[in-house]
Amino acid sequence: NAGVTQTPKFRVLKTGQSMTLLCAQDMNHEYMYWYRQDPGMGLRLIHYSVGEGTTAKGEVPDGYNVSRLKKQNFLLGLESAAPSQTSVYFCASRARQGNNSPLHFGNGTRLTVT
Amino acid sequence: AQSVTQLGSHVSVSEGALVLLRCNYSSSVPPYLFWYVQYPNQGLQLLLKYTSAATLVKGINGFEAEFKKSETSFHLTKPSAHMSDAAEYFCAVNSGGYQKVTFGTGTKLQVIP
Repeated sequence: NAGVTQTPKFRVLKTGQSMTLLCAQDMNHEYMYWYRQDPGMGLRLIHYSVGEGTTAKGEVPDGYNVSRLKKQNFLLGLESAAPSQTSVYFCASRARQGNNSPLHFGNGTRLTVT
Repeated sequence: AQSVTQLGSHVSVSEGALVLLRCNYSSSVPPYLFWYVQYPNQGLQLLLKYTSAATLVKGINGFEAEFKKSETSFHLTKPSAHMSDAAEYFCAVNSGGYQKVTFGTGTKLQVIP
């Protein structure tokens, strides 16, 4: 049971380039999330999805787009990367039942934008 | 609105000493509270969660946390620190809704041999 898998693990982009981060989960979870982690700021929610074909904005959505064409996959896109998007990105998923169901995290993607 | 405050971004303890990581929350409704642990170059893993069944919650690796409504706190403790406990710990609150999980800024625990 792989849980939540993120690809790639590392990436270096130049300002203005684009890329897509892939998240895949094999737990049949309804809810999926993209967070960014920056030193001293904890985790901040970028976008989330409550089911296949639906997405919504989180706390810091600007500069990012997402898609959830299949229940098990949640893609995060950067159309024109900026140095401020240098961060570690985490995908997480959660079962729908109850507010106490915990988040399951991938191991992260470390992105550097030069 | 909900929020979480973790006091102390870095905590150092000696191996074998008590670990105390502080978390205070703010919530307009009864909250669900979580502690997660993050080891270097890994994602977050659930340590324990409070779901109102009991105020003292036991988690993995000997950690426990006590929910105190009067103090709006959910501090994490472990009687005796081990070197393998060195990691970053995050407190989180969910007051309702699928998107409303708010994380604290994290506390890095250093264990000194």
